[in-house]
Amino acid sequence: DAGITQSPRYKITETGRQVTLMCHQTWSHSYMFWYRQDLGHGLRLIYYSAAADITDKGEVPDGYVVSRSKTENFPLTLESATRSQTSVYFCASSESMGARYNEQFFGPGTRLTVL
Amino acid sequence: AQRVTQPEKLLSVFKGAPVELKCNYSYSGSPELFWYVQYSRQRLQLLLRHISRESIKGFTADLNKGETSFHLKKPFAQEEDSAMYYCALSGTGGYNKLIFGAGTRLAVHP
Repeated sequence: DAGITQSPRYKITETGRQVTLMCHQTWSHSYMFWYRQDLGHGLRLIYYSAAADITDKGEVPDGYVVSRSKTENFPLTLESATRSQTSVYFCASSESMGARYNEQFFGPGTRLTVL
Repeated sequence: AQRVTQPEKLLSVFKGAPVELKCNYSYSGSPELFWYVQYSRQRLQLLLRHISRESIKGFTADLNKGETSFHLKKPFAQEEDSAMYYCALSGTGGYNKLIFGAGTRLAVHP
């Protein structure tokens, strides 16, 4: 399903570097989300956005920054990467109303390794 | 506090056996419950949601408010059901946020 894409798919970086993970959706969904997936924790919400220029923290926001200047894009930036941020990151989007309200559509994920 | 608990990390069954993946939740209001599935090398996708009250790929799940549970069941497991299953909760109040459980890996053996 090419409606929501993430780039890069794999990234290796070093501690202290800044890294930006990109997320793009073509459905004009209002809501967008960033999760991290770790063994034993499932998916944990990092940040979410209800619309362009509206963002809010999720469960584990520390060390991350987001922006949403356009509806279709929701980049996630690790300002100074740490080893604990090694994870698989998923972007998701959902509609604000309608029959599929509250159903989230996920991107393919980005596997990030911080050395 | 809002929480979703999936007590089993791994559930291993043989083909044709019944399957029940457990999910318990903690939420003070009226939640909406979901099951998401992630097959190998595929994206996480919605399997079913409690308000739809439908059967998808032979799976059903009933919301039991008294026991605060939303267990996923299938009477006869197939090998293609092998995947990672996540129970998720969405509360009222907007913003479509989901709270996920830790997930259960279902392995169906031939």
